[in-house]
Amino acid sequence: GAGVSQSPRYKVAKRGQDVALRCDPISGHVSLFWYQQALGQGPEFLTYFQNEAQLDKSGLPSDRFFAERPEGSVSTLKIQRTQQEDSAVYLCASSSPESSAGELFFGEGSRLTVL
Amino acid sequence: AQSVTQPDIHITVSEGASLELRCNYSYGATPYLFWYVQSPGQGLQLLLKYFSGDTLVQGIKGFEAEFKRSQSSFNLRKPSVHWSDAAEYFCAVMGSYIPTFGRGTSLIVHP
Repeated sequence: GAGVSQSPRYKVAKRGQDVALRCDPISGHVSLFWYQQALGQGPEFLTYFQNEAQLDKSGLPSDRFFAERPEGSVSTLKIQRTQQEDSAVYLCASSSPESSAGELFFGEGSRLTVL
Repeated sequence: AQSVTQPDIHITVSEGASLELRCNYSYGATPYLFWYVQSPGQGLQLLLKYFSGDTLVQGIKGFEAEFKRSQSSFNLRKPSVHWSDAAEYFCAVMGSYIPTFGRGTSLIVHP
């Protein structure tokens, strides 16, 4: 497809389970962002990749959160030992050098519910 | 550090009425400013952006926004709201390379 694709769209996990969320950015987009959006809140920055390099992970809330983009395209956000406060929508966005600086193209998000 | 304040959590307007959504930012220099819209179950879509130059910028779907440096504001406006404009609106500021978003304003449109 032409847009940013995220999977799964919905994930229910029991507390303590590990989850993996996938993001397939727009082809050719070198920049990739992960954001966390809690209910009723705006997106909060988690981490940023340029190609395969993770240039900024300052927004990851704990060492239970890990992101990778090994080949510079698809990215995976992994959350270990999930907690109830991890419940949120996880948004992936990508951008290219050719697009206007700062213009992000967002996926529809992965909604994580931790019971 | 950069930050965005959207003081209105909810705004209710009648269809056909004008709209203004407020956004105030904090950043040391002139930032890049954006408005995004999010419909239920959808990702965010860019409405418009300001980088430099003319302080009144036009976007998609008939929206416009005005950058006012003296007030550190970037308010979004539309002269006549349609029912399909009901959505969540997010203002964002970018100083370096990472956009920071406000908490959003939910627009409710009454027929």
